[in-house]
Amino acid sequence: DIQMTQSPSSLSASIGDRVSITCRASQTISNYLHWYQQKPGKAPELLIYAASSLQSGVPARFSGSGFGTDFTLTISSLQPEDSATYYCQQTYKAPRTFGQGTKLEIK
Amino acid sequence: QVQLVESGGGVVQSGRSLRVSCAASGFTFRNYVMHWVRQAPGKGLEWVSVISHDGGTKFYADSVKGRFTISRDNSENTLYLQMNSLRADDTAVYYCARGNTGNYLDAFDIWGQGTMVTVSS
Repeated sequence: DIQMTQSPSSLSASIGDRVSITCRASQTISNYLHWYQQKPGKAPELLIYAASSLQSGVPARFSGSGFGTDFTLTISSLQPEDSATYYCQQTYKAPRTFGQGTKLEIK
Repeated sequence: QVQLVESGGGVVQSGRSLRVSCAASGFTFRNYVMHWVRQAPGKGLEWVSVISHDGGTKFYADSVKGRFTISRDNSENTLYLQMNSLRADDTAVYYCARGNTGNYLDAFDIWGQGTMVTVSS
């Protein structure tokens, strides 16, 4: 199975900060990498697909980059509603593994 | 609107069976790959199973292989997960999700609200 490792596991940042979360795959996955946001008690929502494509309706402050094994989700200017847990996922091979999640809190 | 609605969760004794369902609306269900994903209380997301658009191809996570069966009824726009020999570590919220192929590279673009399955000993 392809292992997905996110870092950090948690972070705290202030409104307006630029925040980055990284995701590393245990083997190359091309750009078959997606990012999801999950708020407490809610289902995950797709933010970024194919490593860098913004899902319709997602604010432009979210962006993704990377290829191969190393990927980054960036929030350019943190907003209060961005407090959530973020997951990366690979769909290059079955099983479609997720990272362990990064919990983002607002200071 | 495009929507997935799960049902069928509940409390079940260890070793028993349960079937959860996912009703799709607002899109052409038969054209899409569908997945089940679960989340144990306080834990991360775990992919469980996938079924092809026509139901002919299925894959499972090792943790459920041989115990869970995914199926779909394209005439009823419904996805199912039959869970047998349930164990305490199957306790989780079960989500169905649409896999969008093509440019989306099978990203899960639509999710249901989830249904809670609790396995008691």
